[in-house]
Amino acid sequence: GIQVEQSPPDLILQEGANSTLRCNFSDSVNNLQWFHQNPWGQLINLFYIPSGTKQNGRLSATTVATERYSLLYISSSQTTDSGVYFCAVELNNNNDMRFGAGTRLTVKP
Amino acid sequence: DTGVSQNPRHKITKRGQNVTFRCDPISEHNRLYWYRQTLGQGPEFLTYFQNEAQLEKSRLLSDRFSAERPKGSFSTLEIQRTEQGDSAMYLCASSLSWGVTEAFFGQGTRLTVV
Repeated sequence: GIQVEQSPPDLILQEGANSTLRCNFSDSVNNLQWFHQNPWGQLINLFYIPSGTKQNGRLSATTVATERYSLLYISSSQTTDSGVYFCAVELNNNNDMRFGAGTRLTVKP
Repeated sequence: DTGVSQNPRHKITKRGQNVTFRCDPISEHNRLYWYRQTLGQGPEFLTYFQNEAQLEKSRLLSDRFSAERPKGSFSTLEIQRTEQGDSAMYLCASSLSWGVTEAFFGQGTRLTVV
């Protein structure tokens, strides 16, 4: 089956720093999403980004589908950015959605 | 529409009992997914429906697990003869199957088997 790999697994930052999270996937995909899981376990949609670049405030994401990776950029990080970030992909030939293992981000004041 | 709704939010049950969870998707969404998440792990795919048809089931979905979506609207996930290893967060998501297929998740049902 498809492999979805996220790196780094853990990231600790000082408030105000920038960071880049990476998602590699092993097969062609229809769809790629980035989520932030809050402390209560809910997955919050960040980006729906099968290809190209999108920005939303301090967050932006880029997916290069031909090279099978996506990047999530967080600029000027805040303590409220802490949590686990997941990417999830929907395969071209199979419509279920598979998750990576996540990146746990800790932003220190 | 208030988004994907899951009930109950929490369930504590004794080993060997049966439990049933409900998921109400976003109303116009024809796809519905179930996932299981244990502590420190990413969500693991269990099964998904397109309308009322169950199109795929993971090998994680043993014969103690069954999911239905009888009229292509809400879905139920039943676990029979629960085991302690079933303790997890059960997540439901919904999406369209055409155009922008962005999936949205409910708040989850946290199951504890004692």
